[in-house]
Amino acid sequence: DQQVKQNSPSLSVQEGRISILNCDYTNSMFDYFLWYKKYPAEGPTFLISISSIKDKNEDGRFTVFLNKSAKHLSLHIVPSQPGDSAVYFCAASLFKAAGNKLTFGGGTRVLVKP
Amino acid sequence: GAVVSQHPSRVICKSGTSVKIECRSLDFQATTMFWYRQFPKQSLMLMATSNEGSKATYEQGVEKDKFLINHASLTLSTLTVTSAHPEDSSFYICSASRGIDYGYTFGSGTRLTVV
Repeated sequence: DQQVKQNSPSLSVQEGRISILNCDYTNSMFDYFLWYKKYPAEGPTFLISISSIKDKNEDGRFTVFLNKSAKHLSLHIVPSQPGDSAVYFCAASLFKAAGNKLTFGGGTRVLVKP
Repeated sequence: GAVVSQHPSRVICKSGTSVKIECRSLDFQATTMFWYRQFPKQSLMLMATSNEGSKATYEQGVEKDKFLINHASLTLSTLTVTSAHPEDSSFYICSASRGIDYGYTFGSGTRLTVV
């Protein structure tokens, strides 16, 4: 039972354009969401997060949008740069739950073409 | 910022032996650490939650006798893969959090190959 899903396994975008990554979740109890970037053979690197009390959070080139009614969040990267090529994971947490374990989506591989 | 160190980064062991992986929070105390496993081209699967001073909480389907977790201090958690088999070959990653108001920092991962 996948509670967090990233339905697009890969995405190719031209440098300078916008990258839009999507993530859906099924557990309505999730109230804290994160995006991570991961290179092969390395641990994930935190990018941006959003609490369920917000619908948008922006940090530089990265913006995360949350639509609670649709149980959907997206990550926008603009402008996309070749260094953004990596696998991106969305993750969800029961923010107030003990342990705060993260449930990860399957990942989206992004390729930014120069 | 928060730094999590994971060691070793890569290990090859013979089938039947045990391997210990360390996860250290270098500049903060972590009452809770998490151990994940990632198969090639797949997502990170949570194996267990490591709690300082108490028993780890394992996810369904994870053998606690095979994957021994010890969280003896606020800065160190260890994962021991006991009697390793080739199917245990995987990428293991730990993460730690200072608390619910902070994010999660991941270690750099350990590539385990059992031959």
